[in-house]
Amino acid sequence: ETGVTQSPTHLIKTRGQQVTLRCSSQSGHNTVSWYQQALGQGPQFIFQYYREEENGRGNFPPRFSGLQFPNYSSELNVNALELDDSALYLCASSRGTGEGEQYFGPGTRLTVT
Amino acid sequence: GQSLEQPSEVTAVEGAIVQINCTYQTSGFYGLSWYQQHDGGAPTFLSYNALDGLEETGRFSSFLSRSDSYGYLLLQELQMKDSASYFCAVSPGGKLIFGQGTELSVKP
Repeated sequence: ETGVTQSPTHLIKTRGQQVTLRCSSQSGHNTVSWYQQALGQGPQFIFQYYREEENGRGNFPPRFSGLQFPNYSSELNVNALELDDSALYLCASSRGTGEGEQYFGPGTRLTVT
Repeated sequence: GQSLEQPSEVTAVEGAIVQINCTYQTSGFYGLSWYQQHDGGAPTFLSYNALDGLEETGRFSSFLSRSDSYGYLLLQELQMKDSASYFCAVSPGGKLIFGQGTELSVKP
């Protein structure tokens, strides 16, 4: 157990809807990174938040957005859901930018129908 | 850009030793990490090599050769619970870039 929690565990949405996923970082960590993992693939980096500011973004469209709060918890928002957004969404917390070692939560399994 | 290659599947027997290789192409160098993921679970950090050589943590060891853009994860005294997916990753600025993963199956 890493101390990183995510909610909800599972979610089913319809194409075109919006979704918000939540992540609480491990105590003492000020950075949260979000990843999308499709079945049978490695996690793909979405973005990272460091001290409430976006600190890097992967190759994802603007309909993927996020926030980090003063307590370092974070949200991932996805608008206009598409079928291809169905995946496991993972957040990871770390001290600083987390090069090398990040602590992952259990993930949110999103299904878009 | 960055890309990492690792074998898709490896099978070994309980008690044996297995090596999972990873080759990478990166625009810079940021260290090489290894993560373990059991089916549907959270990736778990195993090791990080910032410099050339071998890092040992219990039954697991990881090796890096920066000149060859190559690393490997060595698992000794395999146990059934080691059956999982293993990912190598580089981390430019904390942005973990993962390989496609190697599925390890440990047989009795």
